Parts: sequence; structure tokens; C-alpha cells
Amino acid sequence: ETALTQFPATLSLSPGERATLSCRASQSVTNYLAWYQQKPGQAPRLLIYDASNRATGIPARFSGSGSGTDFTLTINSLEPEDFAVYYCQQRTNWPPSVTFGQGTRLEI
Amino acid sequence: EVELVESGGGLVQPGGSLRLSCAASGFTFSAYVMTWIRQAPGKGLEWVAAISGGGGSTFYANSVKGRFTISRDNSRDTLSLQMNSLRAEDTAVYYCAKGLYYSGSGSEYFDYWGQGTLVTVSS
Repeated sequence: ETALTQFPATLSLSPGERATLSCRASQSVTNYLAWYQQKPGQAPRLLIYDASNRATGIPARFSGSGSGTDFTLTINSLEPEDFAVYYCQQRTNWPPSVTFGQGTRLEI
Repeated sequence: EVELVESGGGLVQPGGSLRLSCAASGFTFSAYVMTWIRQAPGKGLEWVAAISGGGGSTFYANSVKGRFTISRDNSRDTLSLQMNSLRAEDTAVYYCAKGLYYSGSGSEYFDYWGQGTLVTVSS
């Protein structure tokens, strides 16, 4: 099973700054990686899939990059509503499985 | 508009059983892989089980294999999770989630999620 490690565990920034979140896979996942945002009491929201594709309705300030084992989620010019927990997720085609990272908390 | 509504959560004793349901609307249910994902209180996300659009293929996390059964009724646009031999470590909010891809495989990204239903396993 492919493990995902996210860092840092907590990132403290101010509105208007740029956030850089990292996710490292224990083995190559090619580009089969997604990013989600979760706010307290809410379900996760898909932001990025296949490493760099923005999901429908996601603002352009969110971008993803990387391939193989190292991936980055960048949030430009942080808005107050961006402070949340972010998870990365990989998918394996066969046998089908999915794993999530442990999350990065982005706090003001 | 896509909507997923889970139900069936509650308090159950260790060793007991519970059946979760997820009512789907707003999309062609039978065309998408559906998945259950759980989140223990204050913890991260854990993929639990997935089922193909037609229902013929099912996939499970090792932690639930042999105890949980995922199923779907495409005539009623409903996803289910039968949970047996429940343990304290199964305590979590259980989300049903829709796969991103039309006619996708068993492993997916998830573009729509329900609000979750809480399962508490305790004596």
C-alpha cells in the first residue's frame, strides 16, 4: 500500500500570503494524486486531481504540481476562507485502492 | 444538482451490526463508482470500500475486509454499507462519495460527498 506523508503538519500564514503544502508518496503514483480542502463540520471538497487539474468551480489561486513521489499544492494570495485542513489522496488502479495523507492544517 | 444523503448511523455495541444507506440524486447513479470513506473523530480520512457502477465489482480496505459489505441498488439510486462485527476503532463519520469519472474504475477521486453519518461503537 502506498503511504502519503504531508508536511508541514501545520502552516501558519496571513491572508494575502502564498501557501505551499507538500505531499510525498512512499512509491511512485505517477500523477494519480488529488488535493482536498476540509473545513470544520463539513465534508472534504475536491480541489485538484491528476496532480494539476483544477476541479470544477475551484478558483485559479489553487494550483497543483508534481509527479512520481513529490507533489505540491500552492495557494496564491490566501483568502480568509482558505484556512482549513488540506488532504492529499492517491489512487492505485490495480488492485484498486485509495490512500489519504494525514493532512496539513492551514491556520491564520 | 448532485446530492448524497447518508443515513443509518448511531450507537452500537462492540460486535454488533449496522447498515448505512446513501440516497443519491442529480446524476446518472449507475454510471459512477461509489465509495464509502470514514473519518474517526479528530483524525484523517480513510477509504473503506468501493463498488463499480453496475455493482459487479467491489473493493475493500484491509481493515474492514470480511466484516463490511458494500452494495448498491441502481433502480433506487441507493448505496449501502452493511457493517458487522463492529469494533471501537470503527467509530467514525462515514461519508458516501461519488467517483469523478464516468464509467470509472474501482479507485477514484471524489467530486461529491454526503454530509456524513456518525457511527459510534461503544458499550
